[in-house]
Amino acid sequence: DTGVSQNPRHKITKRGQNVTFRCDPISEHNRLYWYRQTLGQGPEFLTYFQNEAQLEKSRLLSDRFSAERPKGSFSTLEIQRTEQGDSAMYLCASSSGTGAHEQFFGPGTRLTVL
Amino acid sequence: AQKVTQAQTEISVVEKEDVTLDCVYETRDTTYYLFWYKQPPSGELVFLIRRNSFDEQNEISGRYSWNFQKSTSSFNFTITASQVVDSAVYFCALSQGGGYQKVTFGIGTKLQVIP
Repeated sequence: DTGVSQNPRHKITKRGQNVTFRCDPISEHNRLYWYRQTLGQGPEFLTYFQNEAQLEKSRLLSDRFSAERPKGSFSTLEIQRTEQGDSAMYLCASSSGTGAHEQFFGPGTRLTVL
Repeated sequence: AQKVTQAQTEISVVEKEDVTLDCVYETRDTTYYLFWYKQPPSGELVFLIRRNSFDEQNEISGRYSWNFQKSTSSFNFTITASQVVDSAVYFCALSQGGGYQKVTFGIGTKLQVIP
């Protein structure tokens, strides 16, 4: 499978716990994006990386959220001290080249905070 | 600020009918890109089309066609002879040009094709 993969697919946690999600982009893609999608809404941009550099962060990304892409390949998104409002689908996407190219999305990680 | 409006939240059609999904966008940029994505019940977003702001040619791909009109800031999507497999949520999206990567999605239109 050469698409974008995300792990885990589902995560249930208690409020206050930390969680970490992983995204493996398409191998030749240098750009990687994180989005959050809640029920009945479109994806909301969180952050993006070009290679290992994090170039853009949304105001939605509070200080409890941190994302890394240490070697310009896979990326992790960590949420500290989770809140019930963090319950959502977290989507990862990747793209190649310069300019606004189409993004290829992974299946997402569904987070439920109890 | 960028904004994408998809006024139709849900549409139901009978199989073989044509259906048009509306998208209206707002941007101050002269260079921008518009996209349509499909999200089937399985959940994974699938890219359908990209159009840049300088290319107003309409495009047809099989049963799918897109009508881009800068004068009305619209980028509508038509499915001809709809099929049950077309049932999904369809998102219109907008990004700035010049390598800027933030993509703003609309709320989505849920299309149900009834056999």
